[in-house]
This record gives sequence, structure tokens and C-alpha cells, in this order.
Amino acid sequence: AQSVTQLGSHVSVSEGALVLLRCNYSSSVPPYLFWYVQYPNQGLQLLLKYTTGATLVKGINGFEAEFKKSETSFHLTKPSAHMSDAAEYFCAVSDWDQAGTALIFGKGTTLSVSS
Amino acid sequence: GAGVSQSPRYKVAKRGQDVALRCDPISGHVSLFWYQQALGQGPEFLTYFQNEAQLDKSGLPSDRFFAERPEGSVSTLKIQRTQQEDSAVYLCASSAPGIGSPLHFGNGTRLTVT
Repeated sequence: AQSVTQLGSHVSVSEGALVLLRCNYSSSVPPYLFWYVQYPNQGLQLLLKYTTGATLVKGINGFEAEFKKSETSFHLTKPSAHMSDAAEYFCAVSDWDQAGTALIFGKGTTLSVSS
Repeated sequence: GAGVSQSPRYKVAKRGQDVALRCDPISGHVSLFWYQQALGQGPEFLTYFQNEAQLDKSGLPSDRFFAERPEGSVSTLKIQRTQQEDSAVYLCASSAPGIGSPLHFGNGTRLTVT
């Protein structure tokens, strides 16, 4: 069975500081990996995804993530935090070989950005 | 429409009432998912449709939960005899055909059972 663990339910950074949100996954087959962001009272918005190919994936709003198979990790980073980055972030995994398979989400990490 | 549309946005139900939540996916998206998101938690899978066929309903928490998508477009999630533990945000998502296609989420319906 697949699972996702997000280390740290709450991360606080100062504006301009590095953002690092950690995600580890468990999957018996090669995974597809996703990061979503959720602003208050809204649905989830896709930040980036890894399917195949290059292991460093760039997404929207300056975020990127690196797939490390040996560490079963897919950590999300951003070099310089902005106040508008404050939100809930979810890592998710799905099977690579099944179209339409459900995403399994982590419990989320709340990112706070202070000025 | 341009995105996934869900209605109502908010629903308050008294315990024991039946509710129906609607999802209008992005046009052309054959896959449709329902998720339940409790306060402070990540979304949890409820059920999945490919066109009108319900291929996976393993996440439905009880037989009080029922979902349908009769014409392969709009979907309805129905909860019978609501209980307080059903209070959550119910998210609908759709995706285009193809392996690895990302899910596009609606803004959800926040259900509060009193």
C-alpha cells in the first residue's frame, strides 16, 4: 500500500528565507509524486509533479522538488519565501501504471511566513 | 466552465437529515474523484468514477454514503442520515485522460452536521 509522510505539521520562516517542506513516500511500484497548495477555504492547486525523467521538477511560484529514489523523498523547496506563500501544502503519491488512480495525500504542512 | 464547480459551498444539516453535494467537472475529464477532508487533515479518498462507471468506492466510510455520475459528467455525493462525524469538507476533483494527469480540484463543500 502507498503512503505519504510529511515531516513537520507546521513550518515557520521569515520572508526571504529558504523554504523546505519534507515529504517521504512508500510505494511498491514506481510512484508519481505531486505537491499541492491549499489556501484558506479553497480547493487544492497543483504546484508541481514528478512522473518520469528529470528528477528535479520545477513548479509554479518558484517552487521546486527533487525526487530521490534512494531516500524515498520528494522534498519541496523555494529559495526565498514570500508572504503570499503562507498556506497549507500537501504531498501526494499515486501509482505510475494506472490511469485515473486515486492520489494518496499526506496530512499536510502549514507554512507560516513572517515579515 | 473553466474549473471544477461544486455546490453548495456550505451546507448545514441537522443530524439525521440527508444531504446531496454536487460536482461539475471540467469538460472532457473522464476521471472524477471525491475526497473527504477533515479539519486539519489531508484529503482522504472516497470514490472514483471513469465516465459513468464507479470503479472504486473503497473509501466510502459507510453504506450511508452513495455517489453517482449517471451521464458521465456531473456527479452527486449523497449522505443519508447524517452524523456529526460526517462534518468535513468534501472535495471533488477531475482529471484528463492519461497516466499521471494531475487532479484539478473544486473549492469543496463544507458540511456541518449539528
